[in-house]
Amino acid sequence: QKEVEQDPGPLSVPEGAIVSLNCTYSNSAFQYFMWYRQYSRKGPELLMYTYSSGNKEDGRFTAQVDKSSKYISLFIRDSQPSDSATYLCAMSPFTGGGNKLTFGTGTQLKVEL
Amino acid sequence: EAQVTQNPRYLITVTGKKLTVTCSQNMNHEYMSWYRQDPGLGLRQIYYSMNVEVTDKGDVPEGYKVSRKEKRNFPLILESPSPNQTSLYFCASSLLSRGKSAGELFFGEGSRLTVL
Repeated sequence: QKEVEQDPGPLSVPEGAIVSLNCTYSNSAFQYFMWYRQYSRKGPELLMYTYSSGNKEDGRFTAQVDKSSKYISLFIRDSQPSDSATYLCAMSPFTGGGNKLTFGTGTQLKVEL
Repeated sequence: EAQVTQNPRYLITVTGKKLTVTCSQNMNHEYMSWYRQDPGLGLRQIYYSMNVEVTDKGDVPEGYKVSRKEKRNFPLILESPSPNQTSLYFCASSLLSRGKSAGELFFGEGSRLTVL
């Protein structure tokens, strides 16, 4: 069993829809949770960063962590065609640079006009 | 512009022909790392480096070598490539200091390698 599980999709939604992307994990030591966005033929880039349980909002994006269920989510409101990308969750027991991140396999999202 | 630059972006080679993928960052980051990305397996770490002359194995180091002679450069060497090393490779870097933003990995645009 992988430490981090993520549905690969593809997920196709109409423009303006609310999108929910999820990851489950098995390692209870994970405390720092990230979402990276990867456009086609590009490297991943950090989208959201959260610590422990709770919600964090940044514009149209909300990251949610439920450590009791070992479940994290990324919500995208009013989705746009420019949100079409692969979304990777990543997590680590520690904060700061140089700590190993464990990545999910990514969910491919397509937002259609 | 802050960036991680990888070369080549695309390469087709044959089994056993040594190759090097270069990686350079201009952000003065201490930490650098190589990943490979394969369908269904996600990003897997090959090697990483905490600073100049300090390197260590990641999860899938077999068949790869690295060196860190300068802070900005972290080349990935395939001494004798095999078809199972066909993959999309990413170099990444970050600061080592504590704090949430310090953990942010900056990725290059990727190098797609095909070994025939």
